[in-house]
Amino acid sequence: GQNIDQPTEMTATEGAIVQINCTYQTSGFNGLFWYQQHAGEAPTFLSYNVLDGLEEKGRFSSFLSRSKGYSYLLLKELQMKDSASYLCAVPGGGFKTIFGAGTRLFVKA
Amino acid sequence: DAEITQSPRHKITETGRQVTLACHQTWNHNNMFWYRQDLGHGLRLIHYSYGVQDTNKGEVSDGYSVSRSNTEDLPLTLESAASSQTSVYFCASSTEVSQETQYFGPGTRLLVL
Repeated sequence: GQNIDQPTEMTATEGAIVQINCTYQTSGFNGLFWYQQHAGEAPTFLSYNVLDGLEEKGRFSSFLSRSKGYSYLLLKELQMKDSASYLCAVPGGGFKTIFGAGTRLFVKA
Repeated sequence: DAEITQSPRHKITETGRQVTLACHQTWNHNNMFWYRQDLGHGLRLIHYSYGVQDTNKGEVSDGYSVSRSNTEDLPLTLESAASSQTSVYFCASSTEVSQETQYFGPGTRLLVL
């Protein structure tokens, strides 16, 4: 089965860097996803890591270590609009996706 | 532009009533999913479909049903609404070629009184 753990809430300051961690246990592995969800809105896809290492996409980077069952999402130069929930997710077999409960990030001025 | 829509966006109903939530996508995706989202639980899979006439149960399927008569639509029916089904419901779709990306609809907020 799959089990995903991520912190419930985090607070960071505008302009700073924040790292959101995710640990997972899964019976098989085909990658790890990060989604962003603003309050009252739908989740939107951020990144998908299949191989170990860091992948950078502008201000956002995602890291994966398959041997440790660990990933993190790194947000640089934080902006107020980055206040949102960040969902870690893994494939659930077939074309299903299993989502973590999400980390709510508050960015303060 | 291709999109995925849900209707209604908000719904209030009474315990015991049958309710149907609509999901329509113009991506021409074969894979469609229904989730519910509750505080502390994240997104939980209710039902999913990999194509016309195909439906499958997810982890929280009790009290819900779906049907897939065409590629574009996957309506979710609550057979007899219960207060425990008060939630935000999201529909999503993905392609089998690029299954790593799920496209979500805007969500339906359902309140069962």
